[in-house]
Amino acid sequence: EPEVTQTPSHQVTQMGQEVILRCVPISNHLYFYWYRQILGQKVEFLVSFYNNEISEKSEIFDDQFSVERPDGSNFTLKIRSTKLEDSAMYFCASTGTGYTGELFFGEGSRLTVL
Amino acid sequence: RKEVEQDPGPFNVPEGATVAFNCTYSNSASQSFFWYRQDCRKEPKLLMSVYSSGNEDGRFTAQLNRASQYISLLIRDSKLSDSATYLCVVNSNNAGNMLTFGGGTRLMVKP
Repeated sequence: EPEVTQTPSHQVTQMGQEVILRCVPISNHLYFYWYRQILGQKVEFLVSFYNNEISEKSEIFDDQFSVERPDGSNFTLKIRSTKLEDSAMYFCASTGTGYTGELFFGEGSRLTVL
Repeated sequence: RKEVEQDPGPFNVPEGATVAFNCTYSNSASQSFFWYRQDCRKEPKLLMSVYSSGNEDGRFTAQLNRASQYISLLIRDSKLSDSATYLCVVNSNNAGNMLTFGGGTRLMVKP
């Protein structure tokens, strides 16, 4: 069964460092997303991406965040200068259409900022 | 007011029991609704969409009350494997899949 894969599964970094989280969406999907979940809290939307550009972004997705699809398979989330409050599980998701609500999530990348 | 609100639980039920979860949402313009399931430290997975007329998938029944902005999930004949957190999800931005998640309701099914 096709799946969304994410790397790394866990990254520990120092405050102020740059972090890149990588995702390989399902191959025939066109819409890509990043969500995050702080431990014990709800899943929160960060950004959606379609046709090589950001479609929507939340208030959380400030200038410290960026996304990129550098080639035909990878979709990355970069956090330029990490803060303690960026510690969370980051989920990549993809879907074939824009409106189904059925997102296929990866297993997540746990980011710990010290 | 929280956009999507759920009782966090936990709901502790014996195997075979019927259990119901409720959820309320604040954005009256929301058009699509879902229940996702999340196992501990895992990713959310779609359980079922929720349609205006109500819908059933095996042991699971979802209902939507637009007037009250209320969504429910009923699980019949609970199994141990149903133990998880159930996330009420609303697509509030009808331009795409900008899903708004509730905090989840934790279910523990005991032998």
